[in-house]
Amino acid sequence: AQTVTQSQPEMSVQEAETVTLSCTYDTSESDYYLFWYKQPPSRQMILVIRQEAYKQQNATENRFSVNFQKAAKSFSLKISDSQLGDAAMYFCAYTYTGTASKLTFGTGTRLQVTL
Amino acid sequence: GAGVSQSPRYKVAKRGQDVALRCDPISGHVSLFWYQQALGQGPEFLTYFQNEAQLDKSGLPSDRFFAERPEGSVSTLKIQRTQQEDSAVYLCASSQGLAGRYEQYFGPGTRLTVT
Repeated sequence: AQTVTQSQPEMSVQEAETVTLSCTYDTSESDYYLFWYKQPPSRQMILVIRQEAYKQQNATENRFSVNFQKAAKSFSLKISDSQLGDAAMYFCAYTYTGTASKLTFGTGTRLQVTL
Repeated sequence: GAGVSQSPRYKVAKRGQDVALRCDPISGHVSLFWYQQALGQGPEFLTYFQNEAQLDKSGLPSDRFFAERPEGSVSTLKIQRTQQEDSAVYLCASSQGLAGRYEQYFGPGTRLTVT
């Protein structure tokens, strides 16, 4: 079974600084997708960034980028120039490209952004 | 257009009562997912529909949980004889197709409290 592990329950970053959230996963599949989702206190989950396993290039979306290490099964999220609005729960998630489309989530990292 | 909507947003049920949770996906989205999010945890998959067909119900925790999507749009998650362990946020998500290629859009969730 696939598992996703986030070992940092909470992280804190100062405004304008950079923070990295960690995620590791376990799978026997070779073709899959990895995601970072943001869940603000209002609870609506929002996709931050997506990585396709067959692509070696790390995905980037504005201030958000990932470090995808396929052999190590590691998928970290870097947030640059942190803003107050980045404060939220961040979930790492996995799905494989078979017929089952479900997402497997980690337990989340709560990010605080301080002035 | 509008995003995924869920109703009610909050539901309090006495132990043993039946509840019905509704999800209105984004128009035209063929895939619909239900997840259960316990307090302080990541969402866990419950069930998946492609149009009106329930293709995966492996995450439903017991036969008290039942989901339907009779016309391939609105979905209802029903929980019979609710128990305290059913207390959680129930998230609905929809996508145009398979999860990896197409983003899953989440609703705001229904917070169920069983007393």
